[in-house]
Amino acid sequence: AQSVAQPEDQVNVAEGNPLTVKCTYSVSGNPYLFWYVQYPNRGLQFLLKYITGDNLVKGSYGFEAEFNKSQTSFHLKKPSALVSDSALYFCAVSLRISSGSARQLTFGSGTQLTVLP
Amino acid sequence: DTGVSQNPRHKITKRGQNVTFRCDPISEHNRLYWYRQTLGQGPEFLTYFQNEAQLEKSRLLSDRFSAERPKGSFSTLEIQRTEQGDSAMYLCASSFSQGAGTGNQPQHFGDGTRLSIL
Repeated sequence: AQSVAQPEDQVNVAEGNPLTVKCTYSVSGNPYLFWYVQYPNRGLQFLLKYITGDNLVKGSYGFEAEFNKSQTSFHLKKPSALVSDSALYFCAVSLRISSGSARQLTFGSGTQLTVLP
Repeated sequence: DTGVSQNPRHKITKRGQNVTFRCDPISEHNRLYWYRQTLGQGPEFLTYFQNEAQLEKSRLLSDRFSAERPKGSFSTLEIQRTEQGDSAMYLCASSFSQGAGTGNQPQHFGDGTRLSIL
């Protein structure tokens, strides 16, 4: 079975400092990996994805993520945090559940990022 | 920008009542997904449509739940005989994919319907 772990429920960082939100995954095949952000009472917004190729993926709003196959990690990073980055962040893995089926998204439990002014 | 639209945004009902939610996906998207999200958790997959065909259903989707996408456009999710445990945010997402082997396109989410059972 596929699973995603976000080991930190809460991450606090000062504005202007770099931020990292951690994600590890467990799958039996080659995963597609995604990061989404959720603001209060809103749906999820897509930030970036890793499908194949370069391990460093760049996405929206200055975010990037690094795919590490040996450590089965896909950490989200940003060089300089903004107060407006404060939100709930979800890592997700997409994998075909069974032969012939379409890929499904499995989400982590989320990490609340707070950027302090 | 016409994103994924969900109605209603909030639904409060008494236990035992039936409720129906609607999702209008992005117009050119052929795939439509329903998820459930409870407080402090990530979304959990419920079901998925490729055009009008319902191709996947999660074990979470009990027989009280039914979803349709009659013309491959909008979708409805109905919950019959609601229970306290059904209280959650119900999220709809859509994407475009060219075949069953793909799925690398991101899913675009609506703002959800928050269901509260009294």
